[in-house]
This record gives sequence, structure tokens and C-alpha cells, in this order.
Amino acid sequence: DAGVIQSPRHEVTEMGQEVTLRCKPISGHDYLFWYRQTMMRGLELLIYFNNNVPIDDSGMPEDRFSAKMPNASFSTLKIQPSEPRDSAVYFCASSLGRGANYGYTFGSGTRLTVV
Amino acid sequence: GENVEQHPSTLSVQEGDSAVIKCTYSDSASNYFPWYKQELGKGPQLIIDIRSNVGEKKDQRIAVTLNKTAKHFSLHITETQPEDSAVYFCAAFDYKLSFGAGTTVTVRA
Repeated sequence: DAGVIQSPRHEVTEMGQEVTLRCKPISGHDYLFWYRQTMMRGLELLIYFNNNVPIDDSGMPEDRFSAKMPNASFSTLKIQPSEPRDSAVYFCASSLGRGANYGYTFGSGTRLTVV
Repeated sequence: GENVEQHPSTLSVQEGDSAVIKCTYSDSASNYFPWYKQELGKGPQLIIDIRSNVGEKKDQRIAVTLNKTAKHFSLHITETQPEDSAVYFCAAFDYKLSFGAGTTVTVRA
């Protein structure tokens, strides 16, 4: 298995532009998580899906952030409009389950820079 | 919600020595404690985990201990090697996985 695949690896955009980050989870994993990593706040859970349905989006910082999972093999995280404070590394992770019997597999991340 | 604290933030050790990273958690309902290793430019990778019904677990040079009463758990790396240099994260799961702030480990040759 190729693991969790994220694209693009790097994204530089101007403030106010729309940004879309993409994720392909491991086949057969029912859970998908979006995390944001910054020096100040560490790894933060933004949202997670179970069987393509958003379960908890309480970590999404603002309405400018949205996430979708149209099918079991694809998810997007969109920021519109982007702001410099959104600059971070965004990770997607997938898992067979959410609880104590399952480890999460992370992708390599998308480094977003908003200028 | 769960609050995970991790210490130290940086750790420098001589090759061959041991490294210890300690974490505390706040929610007594947490029942799963994984450790992740993150190398430069990569995502966190699960290296070992422990569940609340176990006090200690070992995998080659890596071991984790859990003290549920005190709500703390630790990662021990023995006979450190240069490839152990990375950022290590502890995490605790109650209804979601909460991460510590990370420890940057540098193994000096």
C-alpha cells in the first residue's frame, strides 16, 4: 500500500486566494482525520470523517475552512479566503477505527504558506 | 478535553546512551497512549503504543511505561543511534487523539 497520499506537498498562495488540499486515505480505512501543525499550537485535530461522513468539526478554526469527503478514497480541505495565519503544515491521517485498538497513519503533509 | 504535557522539549544524547521522554495527561478516561516519531519533511509515524490495561510494553530498543494512577507515561529509547534523531510526540486518546507538544531528540555521534 502506498500509504496516505497528500497533495500538493507545498503550496504558496496570496492572501485572499482559495486553497484546496487533497488526501487519499489507505484503502479500507473507515476514518479520516485532518490535522494542522504549527510551532505555536502543535498538532491540532481539525475534523474527522467516518465512512465519508463528517463526525466532529469542532476543531475547524473558522467558517473559512471546509472539508469534504465525496467518497472513501478522497477528501479535501479548503480554505477560502486564505490568510497569512493559516500558514502551517496540514496532515491527513487515516485509520481502521477511532479508538484504542487502532493506530493512525499520517500522510507526508502539505506545507501551506500564505503571503 | 484532554490536555497532554510533554517534557523535555529538546533532548541531546550521546550515541549509545538512553533517552527518556515523559508525558502527563489530564483525563482519567483516556485509555490509549501512542507515541509517534516525526522525521524532517515527513508525517508522524506510529512507533509504539500502550493501552490502559498494560503497565509496560517493549519493542526492541523502545519501551513505554504507563502509570494510570499518576496519569503519566514515558518513552524510553536505549542504545540510541543517529537515526533516532527526530521529533517524538506522545498522545492520549479519550474520545479523540490529543498530542503533546513534541520533543526534539538529537543523537550526537
